[in-house]
Amino acid sequence: AQSVAQPEDQVNVAEGNPLTVKCTYSVSGNPYLFWYVQYPNRGLQFLLKYITGDNLVKGSYGFEAEFNKSQTSFHLKKPSALVSDSALYFCAVSLMDSNYQLIWGAGTKLIIKP
Amino acid sequence: DTEVTQTPKHLVMGMTNKKSLKCEQHMGHRAMYWYKQKAKKPPELMFVYSYEKLSINESVPSRFSPECPNSSLLNLHLHALQPEDSALYLCASSQLLVNEQFFGPGTRLTVL
Repeated sequence: AQSVAQPEDQVNVAEGNPLTVKCTYSVSGNPYLFWYVQYPNRGLQFLLKYITGDNLVKGSYGFEAEFNKSQTSFHLKKPSALVSDSALYFCAVSLMDSNYQLIWGAGTKLIIKP
Repeated sequence: DTEVTQTPKHLVMGMTNKKSLKCEQHMGHRAMYWYKQKAKKPPELMFVYSYEKLSINESVPSRFSPECPNSSLLNLHLHALQPEDSALYLCASSQLLVNEQFFGPGTRLTVL
């Protein structure tokens, strides 16, 4: 079965420190990979995507993610965390064979402490 | 215009009511989606429209009825809902099915 795993329910980071939110996937075929963020009582916002090409992709608000095919991972990173980055982060994968429906991870709550 | 709008923001309805949720986008996107989201969980896909035709219907109960009147509008008609249907209902759009989706702010639905 196709699946996306976000192994950490919650990640705590001090403001100014680098942050990483982990995502691994198990799918057949070539995945399209996405990160979305959801602030409290809000809809989801698209952060970045990997389709093909350079393994390091840059997105909104200073976030970036690295695609690692051998480890089937797509971890989200930011060099210096802000308190305003505190939110719920979802990793998602889509496949051509599944009509590009998004397969979602369970989500990781990111807490940035001042 | 680079956003997806949804109305109403909040809706409280009884189990015998009929109501509709509305979604609109003016980005020229040809794919539109309805999702249901419970607190702190990922969204669950309900319906997908591609070029104004229903593309995917994820075995959603018939008390939910989607409608796509034109390429910019998407409705979700609600009838005889159950309390367990209370959730955040999200609309999204994408240029095509392959592209990233842009989400509206959602409608918070409470069924009494």
